[in-house]
Amino acid sequence: DGGITQSPKYLFRKEGQNVTLSCEQNLNHDAMYWYRQDPGQGLRLIYYSQIVNDFQKGDIAEGYSVSREKKESFPLTVTSAQKNPTAFYLCASSTLDRGETQYFGPGTRLLVL
Amino acid sequence: QKEVEQNSGPLSVPEGAIASLNCTYSDRGSQSFFWYRQYSGKSPELIMFIYSNGDKEDGRFTAQLNKASQYVSLLIRDSQPSDSATYLCAVLGIKAAGNKLTFGGGTRVLVKP
Repeated sequence: DGGITQSPKYLFRKEGQNVTLSCEQNLNHDAMYWYRQDPGQGLRLIYYSQIVNDFQKGDIAEGYSVSREKKESFPLTVTSAQKNPTAFYLCASSTLDRGETQYFGPGTRLLVL
Repeated sequence: QKEVEQNSGPLSVPEGAIASLNCTYSDRGSQSFFWYRQYSGKSPELIMFIYSNGDKEDGRFTAQLNKASQYVSLLIRDSQPSDSATYLCAVLGIKAAGNKLTFGGGTRVLVKP
């Protein structure tokens, strides 16, 4: 089955801790994205990558870091600098042809202890 | 002015009726337009996309685009209780630094039996 997987489904972070969220896709998509969704709000772009070993900041990149060492994988690290990390994190991927339709993984819910 | 605006709802619709959702956007250069459905606690799933002015139908869903008025809408015919969800409008803007998908805050739809 082709798709996007995210793990873990739930993640708990302690004060001052860095945590990493996994995102993997087997759709052969060039582009991958990370979004944050807060309750009752739309999605906000954190980082995106259109090619391996390259990525760009989105609207709310502060306190986050990413890497794109493989086409299939785009992990997101939530650092201790992110003071309000509690949110629903969504990974998406797309081709780069016309439309660039984005498809989403199931999401990771991050909670602070 | 928000880049993509939607009425947050809830939009209450009797079962079997037509639900009409609206979305306006500010970037005249936007090229592609998407509707996603998001059930509570789940990730967004693509319903349909539209690129050209006019109507596009897919089953019980019809997307309507009017670029001159910067307006895109979604009609859900024969609404079912399973259509109760939040509907996200997303607009792809073409930027030199990389195309960006911007989401509205979503419209919550409640279909009452």
